[in-house]
Amino acid sequence: QKEVEQDPGPLSVPEGAIVSLNCTYSNSAFQYFMWYRQYSRKGPELLMYTYSSGNKEDGRFTAQVDKSSKYISLFIRDSQPSDSATYLCATVGGGNTPLVFGKGTRLSVIA
Amino acid sequence: KAGVTQTPRYLIKTRGQQVTLSCSPISGHRSVSWYQQTPGQGLQFLFEYFSETQRNKGNFPGRFSGRQFSNSRSEMNVSTLELGDSALYLCASSSQGGDTEAFFGQGTRLTVV
Repeated sequence: QKEVEQDPGPLSVPEGAIVSLNCTYSNSAFQYFMWYRQYSRKGPELLMYTYSSGNKEDGRFTAQVDKSSKYISLFIRDSQPSDSATYLCATVGGGNTPLVFGKGTRLSVIA
Repeated sequence: KAGVTQTPRYLIKTRGQQVTLSCSPISGHRSVSWYQQTPGQGLQFLFEYFSETQRNKGNFPGRFSGRQFSNSRSEMNVSTLELGDSALYLCASSSQGGDTEAFFGQGTRLTVV
């Protein structure tokens, strides 16, 4: 079992839809959670960074962490064609351990 | 503030050759991590350097190596290239590594023929 599981999609939604992207993880030592967005032929861009269970909101994006079920989500409201990209979840434990990534979900928002 | 810079952006090499990739981190960041990204495996951790010392290493063969200089710039080297080494190589810069925020460069696309 991989440490972080993420449905690769692809996921296709109409413009304006609410998008839900999800990951599960297996290691209780993971304490910090991130979402990255990666456009084609570009490096990943950090979208959200969170530590605690609960929600963190930034504009149209909301990151949700449920440590009891080891489940992390990213919600995108009022999705736009410019949101079309691959979304990667990542997590890390404390100390100096490296980030562990999901394989990414490819999202297409259709105008 | 300048972001993470990786050079070159694209490389084509022949099997058996070696290659060196470069990463300049964000100013003030001391940790540089390298990842290999392929469609089948996603992002896989290669190694991390912090203050010129390798602090973490992933499960890659010894053909993959790296180093970090006193100005935090890092290089990774792949010797005896194989076709399977074709990938996007990404470096990530962070202030301390570990659980601090990590920022990626645009990557180097390596094609081995």
